[in-house]
Amino acid sequence: ETGVTQSPTHLIKTRGQQVTLRCSSQSGHNTVSWYQQALGQGPQFIFQYYREEENGRGNFPPRFSGLQFPNYSSELNVNALELDDSALYLCASSLGPSGANVLTFGAGSRLTVL
Amino acid sequence: DQQVKQNSPSLSVQEGRISILNCDYTNSMFDYFLWYKKYPAEGPTFLISISSIKDKNEDGRFTVFLNKSAKHLSLHIVPSQPGDSAVYFCAASQSNFGNEKLTFGTGTRLTIIP
Repeated sequence: ETGVTQSPTHLIKTRGQQVTLRCSSQSGHNTVSWYQQALGQGPQFIFQYYREEENGRGNFPPRFSGLQFPNYSSELNVNALELDDSALYLCASSLGPSGANVLTFGAGSRLTVL
Repeated sequence: DQQVKQNSPSLSVQEGRISILNCDYTNSMFDYFLWYKKYPAEGPTFLISISSIKDKNEDGRFTVFLNKSAKHLSLHIVPSQPGDSAVYFCAASQSNFGNEKLTFGTGTRLTIIP
């Protein structure tokens, strides 16, 4: 059983650029959630995808967008990068969109915006 | 507004003794609570959970206690082992919300002293 894999592991961008982060969900999981973890903070919910549709969104602006593909993998896109977007981006997968399900997290993609 | 709070950024405990990590929440709609453990360069891993219909859940060396009236939960680890050194995040959700938006605390770094 493969876990959640994320790519790239590290990347550096400059303000105003765009970035795409990728996530492969754990085998058998059909739901993907994305979290942003700033330094010294806990992970913050960005959004969740279920059946290729957004299924809930946190307090993030529209320049944060995502996709889920038929194989349940997912992408997080961030446009017009700002310095405060520097963070660890965590992807998590689960069996379904129930609040009682356990999330399995990947190791994250660390984004630095200069 | 920090809906889940972990007021102790760090905790050091002697090996073999009990570790007690605390968490407070403000949102009375939360009905499912989880603890995740995070090692450096890895994603958070699920440790233990508790539903609001219970006040205690035990899994081996780990026990979570929930006091709904005080909106407080705690994680007890006994006996503590060096491998328990990690950052521990408390998280909460609304199980009937239709998605798995977890609200995390800021984490407590636990160091077990051999």
